[in-house]
Amino acid sequence: SAVISQKPSRDICQRGTSLTIQCQVDSQVTMMFWYRQQPGQSLTLIATANQGSEATYESGFVIDKFPISRPNLTFSTLTVSNMSPEDSSIYLCSVGRGATGELFFGEGSRLTVL
Amino acid sequence: AQSVTQPDIHITVSEGASLELRCNYSYGATPYLFWYVQSPGQGLQLLLKYFSGDTLVQGIKGFEAEFKRSQSSFNLRKPSVHWSDAAEYFCATFTNFGNEKLTFGTGTRLTIIP
Repeated sequence: SAVISQKPSRDICQRGTSLTIQCQVDSQVTMMFWYRQQPGQSLTLIATANQGSEATYESGFVIDKFPISRPNLTFSTLTVSNMSPEDSSIYLCSVGRGATGELFFGEGSRLTVL
Repeated sequence: AQSVTQPDIHITVSEGASLELRCNYSYGATPYLFWYVQSPGQGLQLLLKYFSGDTLVQGIKGFEAEFKRSQSSFNLRKPSVHWSDAAEYFCATFTNFGNEKLTFGTGTRLTIIP
């Protein structure tokens, strides 16, 4: 299994500000994934982050709003920019295990925008 | 692209009773299917997965799921639920065969009554 640590676990932010969420994995992984879970909803994939290349964003998500960094094989950040109340969600980092297809998730970062 | 459907938004079960959560998939070939659980305030934990082989899959916490191709289903079962099983349950599949991007169902919230 993989141990994934996310920071912050929760935060309350003001409209118009930005917040960066960190994701640290206890082993080297090729791909890291960022998901969003809006209140009472399922999970939606924001982007896939590969080390050494730009993140690949899913439809409806753009780099200007959700810039992602992937400086090495164990770490990634997701920034939620120019936040509005609609960005209030849980943001989850996950990593895969290749051929097994199993994904492991961090405990999430619960973001509330006032 | 593959997808999964969870027809039940909310299910209430008495402690000690049996449980079945429904999941239907859409894909012509054999899909990769997962069940995840999200306890309140927690991240996601993998309960079990199906890739191929035996259609009855055993998972953690006493859960099992059965893959039925004829019904395009992968229902999650537990013979006797415990109060600690109260959580949100998500069925998931790979978005496209060959990558690790998951598509989640809308989730089923399980409430346990004494």
